[in-house]
Amino acid sequence: AQSVAQPEDQVNVAEGNPLTVKCTYSVSGNPYLFWYVQYPNRGLQFLLKYITGDNLVKGSYGFEAEFNKSQTSFHLKKPSALVSDSALYFCAVDTGGFKTIFGAGTRLFVKA
Amino acid sequence: GAVVSQHPSWVICKSGTSVKIECRSLDFQATTMFWYRQFPKQSLMLMATSNEGSKATYEQGVEKDKFLINHASLTLSTLTVTSAHPEDSSFYICSARDLGYTYEQYFGPGTRLTVT
Repeated sequence: AQSVAQPEDQVNVAEGNPLTVKCTYSVSGNPYLFWYVQYPNRGLQFLLKYITGDNLVKGSYGFEAEFNKSQTSFHLKKPSALVSDSALYFCAVDTGGFKTIFGAGTRLFVKA
Repeated sequence: GAVVSQHPSWVICKSGTSVKIECRSLDFQATTMFWYRQFPKQSLMLMATSNEGSKATYEQGVEKDKFLINHASLTLSTLTVTSAHPEDSSFYICSARDLGYTYEQYFGPGTRLTVT
């Protein structure tokens, strides 16, 4: 069965420090991987995706993620966190069969 | 580009009444739209997949007669919660994929439904 795990409910980081939000997945076939961000009482916004090609993908707002096939991971990273990055982050996986599976979400708090 | 709107953004209704939520892709054509439900501090639960011109595909456990979905055009899908009850109170979010199917979904801002 397809699944996505975000092992941390919450990540706390100081402004200016690097941040990592973890994601691992389990799928049959080649995964299409996504990160979305949700601000309070808002819908999700697309951040970045991995479909094929370079394992390091860059997305919106300075975020990037690295696809690691051997570890089945797709961690979200940013070199220098901003207070405005505080939000709920969702990792998602799709095997091209239309249905997308979302992780449970990780709440990121960036402290000034 | 790739903007999805939802209307209304919030609605309060009485138990037993029906509520319609609209989801529109504003600057692209969406062959497929999705309806999700999100509970507080929880992930998104896919309710149904809606394809233009055909019947929606509902996820297991979602009552199709209670949550009526219509995808009448390439830019509009509607979710009608029929005979709403307090347990239907939730945050409903729609999303869409464009005709070119670039894989990512574009989400509407969500609709907060409160049933009293």
